[in-house]
Amino acid sequence: GAGVSQSPRYKVAKRGQDVALRCDPISGHVSLFWYQQALGQGPEFLTYFQNEAQLDKSGLPSDRFFAERPEGSVSTLKIQRTQQEDSAVYLCASSLARTLAKNIQYFGAGTRLSVL
Amino acid sequence: AQSVSQHNHHVILSEAASLELGCNYSYGGTVNLFWYVQYPGQHLQLLLKYFSGDPLVKGIKGFEAEFIKSKFSFNLRKPSVQWSDTAEYFCAVKIASGSARQLTFGSGTQLTVLP
Repeated sequence: GAGVSQSPRYKVAKRGQDVALRCDPISGHVSLFWYQQALGQGPEFLTYFQNEAQLDKSGLPSDRFFAERPEGSVSTLKIQRTQQEDSAVYLCASSLARTLAKNIQYFGAGTRLSVL
Repeated sequence: AQSVSQHNHHVILSEAASLELGCNYSYGGTVNLFWYVQYPGQHLQLLLKYFSGDPLVKGIKGFEAEFIKSKFSFNLRKPSVQWSDTAEYFCAVKIASGSARQLTFGSGTQLTVLP
């Protein structure tokens, strides 16, 4: 596609529910990132994939957060037993480059998650 | 862990005023630097980037930024702002060596330009 696509755009969940957020990166982009953006803050890194391999998950805040990219394209971020503090915008970004140089990340519009 | 500081949380300017948004980072090694902009209701878009070479970089829509290594700064500038520049601006840093790939963002500066 032309850009990074995320769905749903908005998600309301009751505390304790599981949610799944989808990211469809730009076609051919090798790297995929998930970020969490709390209200009034900048995005914070959650996890990173290169193709289907999850190379860094150091930013995941708890074991309730899980991400996958089984075929090296679409990725899903799953949050189990959601809590109010999980309310945020979840951003997905993708980049073409395998190397460190020229690694520009292109962002999707995000999924705004509200946990009641 | 590295951090990025954006000193101004909210800036209000009149059209045609000059703009400078501050950005400082804490990492002592080689970095790549970025400014992203988020217009109301839209996704983050890359405004400009620095990888190496000339520390004065020019981006889209008349924006520029200067990398001053000794000050760990990458301030964003525009000589004359327009109403359409109203947006939130984020500075971001990536470590240019090692295995880390992610961006570290500042908390953002909301710019409001009055017509």
